[in-house]
This record gives sequence, structure tokens and C-alpha cells, in this order.
Amino acid sequence: NAGVTQTPKFRILKIGQSMTLQCTQDMNHNYMYWYRQDPGMGLKLIYYSVGAGITDKGEVPNGYNVSRSTTEDFPLRLELAAPSQTSVYFCASSSGGLAGETQYFGPGTRLLVL
Amino acid sequence: AQSVTQLDSQVPVFEEAPVELRCNYSSSVSVYLFWYVQYPNQGLQLLLKYLSGSTLVESINGFEAEFNKSQTSFHLRKPSVHISDTAEYFCAVSSNTGNQFYFGTGTSLTVIP
Repeated sequence: NAGVTQTPKFRILKIGQSMTLQCTQDMNHNYMYWYRQDPGMGLKLIYYSVGAGITDKGEVPNGYNVSRSTTEDFPLRLELAAPSQTSVYFCASSSGGLAGETQYFGPGTRLLVL
Repeated sequence: AQSVTQLDSQVPVFEEAPVELRCNYSSSVSVYLFWYVQYPNQGLQLLLKYLSGSTLVESINGFEAEFNKSQTSFHLRKPSVHISDTAEYFCAVSSNTGNQFYFGTGTSLTVIP
């Protein structure tokens, strides 16, 4: 039981490049989330999904896209990387929604945009 | 909407001393409250949470937090800290109805030998 896994662990992008951050969970959780963590700012919710085929925006969705074709996978897409997207990205999952459920986090992806 | 304020960004404390990490929230609806811990280079892990019932909740490693509705606080305490408690601690809040979740800015706890 691996929990929530994320790849890559670290990536450097040039301005304007695109990439996909991968997230997979093996707990059969319906809910999945993407957060970004900036120094001194805590975590901000980017997008979330309540099940396969259903996604919705969080607090800071601009510049990102997501899809949820399976229960296990929830990739995050950056189309035109900008320096403001330099951050640590965490994927999480839970069996129920955000109201009271425990979230399980992956180890994170560190992204540097130059 | 909800928001969370963690009043201390850094808390240094000597080993075996007590510690309190402060958290205040604002919300116009009933809330659920959480403390998550992040060890260096790892993802967040749930430490404890308050959903309902007893206002004092405890974790398995000696931390406890008390929900105080009148003061809108959910402070985290431990009577005697260990070196292994060095980590970043995040307070978080969600409403009991919505799909929004808000983290505080975090408190870095450093335990000094």
C-alpha cells in the first residue's frame, strides 16, 4: 500500500514550457486535491475532484488544468510555466469530502521556473 | 468563507519543555478543525482533528488541542517536547458543509537539545 505517490520529485522548467505533474493513489479514494505551498504562505488549494470525470476549481486555479479519467490518477497540467508557479506541489486524497475527512498527502513535487 | 491565523511563524523550545502553538479561525458557520504536521522533505500528516463532541482532542504522540468556540481558537499543546517533534505545524479549517479547506501559514517548531 503506497498511499499517494507523486512524480517527478523535482523539476526545473523554462518560462513558457509545459509539464504534467503526476499523482496516483491506491486507497480507492473518491476525493483528490492539488495544493501549492509557498514559503510563509501555507497551502493553497488549486483544484479538486470528487470522483472520476468531475473536477472543480479551488482557491488558486489560474494557470493550471486537471483531469480525472480514473479513480487512481489526478494529473495537474501547467501549460505556460511562469516564475510565479515556482512552488512545492502536493497532491492529496480522502475518502470523503473536505468537511471533516482526513487528507492523505503525497511527498510533493518541487518546481522551479526560470 | 473561513480563514485561519497562526500567530507564531517560528517557535524555538528546549527539549522536555512545554509548548503551545496558537491557532485562531474565523467563520460564520460551524467548522471542523485540524492540525497537520510536516516533517522535513515530507508531505503533511494529520496530527489530530476536532469534528464534534469533547472539545479536547489528543494525538497518539502526546499532543492535544482544545476547541474554544467563544475565543475561536484551536491551540496545540504538548507538556514535554522531544527532538523528533521538530517540524512545521499547520492548523486548518473546513466548514461542515462546503468543499473548501483553508490552511494557516504554518508554525515552525524547533526543539533545542
